[in-house]
Parts: sequence; C-alpha cells; structure tokens
Amino acid sequence: AQKITQTQPGMFVQEKEAVTLDCTYDTSDPSYGLFWYKQPSSGEMIFLIYQGSYDQQNATEGRYSLNFQKARKSANLVISASQLGDSAMYFCAMREALENSGYALNFGKGTSLLVTP
Amino acid sequence: DAGVIQSPRHEVTEMGQEVTLRCKPISGHDYLFWYRQTMMRGLELLIYFNNNVPIDDSGMPEDRFSAKMPNASFSTLKIQPSEPRDSAVYFCASSSLGLAGDTDTQYFGPGTRLTVL
Repeated sequence: AQKITQTQPGMFVQEKEAVTLDCTYDTSDPSYGLFWYKQPSSGEMIFLIYQGSYDQQNATEGRYSLNFQKARKSANLVISASQLGDSAMYFCAMREALENSGYALNFGKGTSLLVTP
Repeated sequence: DAGVIQSPRHEVTEMGQEVTLRCKPISGHDYLFWYRQTMMRGLELLIYFNNNVPIDDSGMPEDRFSAKMPNASFSTLKIQPSEPRDSAVYFCASSSLGLAGDTDTQYFGPGTRLTVL
C-alpha cells in the first residue's frame, strides 16, 4: 500500500508568489517523521525540512514551512516568495520504525515545480 | 564538513560486466542507505546498514546485487552481472540516530548515474 501520496505531478508558480505542494501519508505508527527533499535538474537530493509526529508546532526553515495537519495526515510544503532556483522536483518522505529496530524512509512520487518569471 | 561522497558519478558499462559503486558516508553517521531511482519506480530503498551491519536488504532486487560496509567510512554496492534494466541513478545516504537534537535526517550523496548497454 502506498504510504506517501503526492497528488500534484506538476505545478506552476510565478516568481515571488507562494506555492503549496501537497503530501498525505498513511501510517498506524504513533511515532514517525516527515521530510521534504528537493531534487533540481542536476540530480542531487537536497534535504529541506523535517516534521516529527510529536512536534507541537509546524516546522519552518527560511522560506520553507510545513503545514502539518496530523488528524488529516497531511504534511504540505509551503514555499514563500518563490525564486527561479526553486524549479525542481520535490519529494515528500515518511520515516517509520521497523520491527527489527531499524527504520524505513518511504518516498512519494514527487511534484515537479516550475517557477516562471 | 564534507557531505556524502559517491563515486563514480557516471558509469557506462556493457551488459554482463561487473559494476561497483562506492560511498563514503558523513563522518559520525551510523546509518547508511542505498537507493535506486528510476522514472518508472521512483526512489526505492535497496538496503541499509546500521553500525556497518546490514539490517534490511529486502529491497535488493536480485542476487546479482550485493552490498558491503567493511568499515564506518566506506560502503560498496556491486552488480554482477549487470543488465540494461539496472540502468538508474543510485544514491547513497547516511544519517545518525540518537544524537541529542538530531532528527535522523538522511543526507544524500550526489548519486551515480549507471547506464548498462
């Protein structure tokens, strides 16, 4: 079963505007973590922001913020004041604990964001 | 601090040849992960290590794939013999768990783009 769902294959936003990238997740584990990564055309995976399931406040990192709605199991990424350099693929991921004391990181299929002048 | 280092960045080989991908994790990180990324399947976890010990290799597609971590600063992913369907970008990532204030974020290397002809 798919654990992370990103329903927007592609998004457009005008420079300097804000944009929200959607992410919903599915887990029965009370302890989990949610991550967003950026993958520009050069291919590297860049960590952006983290939200723990027990965190009381929404995470923020500069122009990135995470709109965490636990009851709805959503963890949307908000990028404020978009820049041309924000054009990239964005992946939502969830960390879950495993029985063997390890953990897995499940990735969504990604959203391609294009920032236009 | 240096990030995760992977080599080679690009590899082109012929079907049937042995391929070895290398990874140096971030110093002090005790988890190491190997992922494969394709257009069709997205990001897939192949195997991960904790303190140099393989914990979960259920994502390794076939016996042709093997991974080792002889010490805390080096890991290899080997494909023997390689096939065209192995063509993908292979990422190595590392993280730490349990350090005060750490969120066990996985930091990715730049990836190795493998093409098997």
